[in-house]
Amino acid sequence: GDSVTQMEGPVTLSEEAFLTINCTYTATGYPSLFWYVQYPGEGLQLLLKATKADDKGSNKGFEATYRKETTSFHLEKGSVQVSDSAVYFCALKHSNYQLIWGAGTKLIIKP
Amino acid sequence: NAGVTQTPKFQVLKTGQSMTLQCAQDMNHNSMYWYRQDPGMGLRLIYYSASEGTTDKGEVPNGYNVSRLNKREFSLRLESAAPSQTSVYFCASSATSGVDEQFFGPGTRLTVL
Repeated sequence: GDSVTQMEGPVTLSEEAFLTINCTYTATGYPSLFWYVQYPGEGLQLLLKATKADDKGSNKGFEATYRKETTSFHLEKGSVQVSDSAVYFCALKHSNYQLIWGAGTKLIIKP
Repeated sequence: NAGVTQTPKFQVLKTGQSMTLQCAQDMNHNSMYWYRQDPGMGLRLIYYSASEGTTDKGEVPNGYNVSRLNKREFSLRLESAAPSQTSVYFCASSATSGVDEQFFGPGTRLTVL
């Protein structure tokens, strides 16, 4: 069945460092891919998405490119801030109802 | 515009007790979802409602029931709580059940002793 694998955390970086959080998936067909973010004590919120191969989703300085050849959707940001500390979830979705979630990666940014 | 609201925020139950988690959305969305979040496991879908009047099982429905009371409200009931149901529960909604963005509530932290 479909699955999403994320790099294990926590990932600890200093402010202004470059961020990559890896996400790979296994799925049939052409799913849509998502990154959600969960700030401490809050629910999840959509960060960015891509609906077809080679699409790049971007938001708040974060980017991810839908790579079908490597079945990946890695999240990147050029210069992280303390306020980016959160848990990041990669997910995929077909045209049916269910989102398939990765386990989440906790990001800690130190000043 | 409150988005998705959930009550209660915290709850402690004893094994065997029952309770209902409430969820409401004010975005006129057709689809609603209940998830549980456990450490290291991401989110798992318990039940969903693609539209008013319909409900379907997700990945982990055992021990739960749901009611889509109207277009706004979608409740989750634990009839006889078990320690394995200790988790954080999230309600979400989306405009349709396709690839639309899901909007999440703040969660309910449930502990079953």
